[in-house]
Amino acid sequence: EIVLTQSPGTLSLSPGERATLSCRASQSVSSSYLAWYQQKPGQAPRLLIYGASSRATGIPDRFSGSGSGTDFTLTISRLEPEDFAVYYCQQYGSSPRWTFGQGTKVEIK
Amino acid sequence: QVQLQESGPGLVKPSETLSLTCTVSGGSISSYYWSWIRQPAGKGLEWIGRIYTSGSTNYNPSLKSRVTMSVDTSKNQFSLKLSSVTAADTAVYYCARVDYGATAFDYWGQGTLVTVSS
Repeated sequence: EIVLTQSPGTLSLSPGERATLSCRASQSVSSSYLAWYQQKPGQAPRLLIYGASSRATGIPDRFSGSGSGTDFTLTISRLEPEDFAVYYCQQYGSSPRWTFGQGTKVEIK
Repeated sequence: QVQLQESGPGLVKPSETLSLTCTVSGGSISSYYWSWIRQPAGKGLEWIGRIYTSGSTNYNPSLKSRVTMSVDTSKNQFSLKLSSVTAADTAVYYCARVDYGATAFDYWGQGTLVTVSS
């Protein structure tokens, strides 16, 4: 089983700042199979990025994804008030099987 | 716009079977994979299993012995059964559609809280 470790656990930033979130896999992951989600309290997760770097439908271009192998990054170029939330990375593996990271909380500083 | 809605009992007794249904509206259930994912309060996400509209299934190995998923294309619904539940199965249960090359979850239900308690 591939384990995804996200860092930091919590990111304290101000609106307008840049957020950089990390997702590290215990084994190499195909870039095609790495996704990122945003979750706000009381809501279902929302798909932001699939295939490591492609934005899902309707996702603003301030969200971008990058990385390959075992290291992946979600970047929010300029934080808007609605971006403060918990973010999860997810990988799709053989079997098939999906696993998620433990999440990074982006909070208002 | 595709919408998903979970339904089922919010309270299940220990050792009994949890049963949930997901109703898909605004689009056909056909030709997609569909999944169940759960989230204990304050914790992360756990994939439970997926089903194709043909009825083909794959389950999380950690839950495989207790999970059964089924699909009813005539009703645009798919279902989850989780047997022999314990307090550890208390969570918000989400249904979701699998897309983007069958690798990511693009549409989600709002989630339903299932509590296991006597």
